[in-house]
Amino acid sequence: GAGVSQSPRYKVAKRGQDVALRCDPISGHVSLFWYQQALGQGPEFLTYFQNEAQLDKSGLPSDRFFAERPEGSVSTLKIQRTQQEDSAVYLCASSLGMSQPQHFGDGTRLSIL
Amino acid sequence: AQSVTQLDSQVPVFEEAPVELRCNYSSSVSVYLFWYVQYPNQGLQLLLKYLSGSTLVESINGFEAEFNKSQTSFHLRKPSVHISDTAEYFCAVTLISSGSARQLTFGSGTQLTVLP
Repeated sequence: GAGVSQSPRYKVAKRGQDVALRCDPISGHVSLFWYQQALGQGPEFLTYFQNEAQLDKSGLPSDRFFAERPEGSVSTLKIQRTQQEDSAVYLCASSLGMSQPQHFGDGTRLSIL
Repeated sequence: AQSVTQLDSQVPVFEEAPVELRCNYSSSVSVYLFWYVQYPNQGLQLLLKYLSGSTLVESINGFEAEFNKSQTSFHLRKPSVHISDTAEYFCAVTLISSGSARQLTFGSGTQLTVLP
């Protein structure tokens, strides 16, 4: 594809519900990153995949957050039992390799009511 | 751990005036440096990067940034701004070390507003 695609673009959920956010990286990109961007802030790192391996999940804020990339392409970020503080824009980025520039999707804006 | 400081949260400037967006970083190891631009309801777009070599790097749309190791800065400049430059600008760093995930650490952003 032309760029990183994220879906849905907007998601509204009630507190306590589970949500799943999808990221389609650029074809052939080995590295995939998830970031969380709170209102008025810069993005903050959540987790990193190299192919299907999750090599770093140090940025995940709690065990309610889970990410997977089972076939080394599409990735899903899942948030269980959502809370209001989970409201943010979730950005996905991919790159050809670890030292290559990251290309970002347009993000998913998550609002927890 | 590394950190990035963007002191100016908002910078208003008139069209065709020069602008400088400041970025300072802190890190115990060498870093790569980036500027990203974010338009409303969009993701981040890479504006320019410093990896090695010449400390002055330029983008295709007239922006430039200079890496200053002694001052740990990477300020972004443009000699003459356009209305279309209105956006949020983020400075970011990533560690240079084998085996690291190369995740980006971002500043809190500077909203550049170009006034007619």
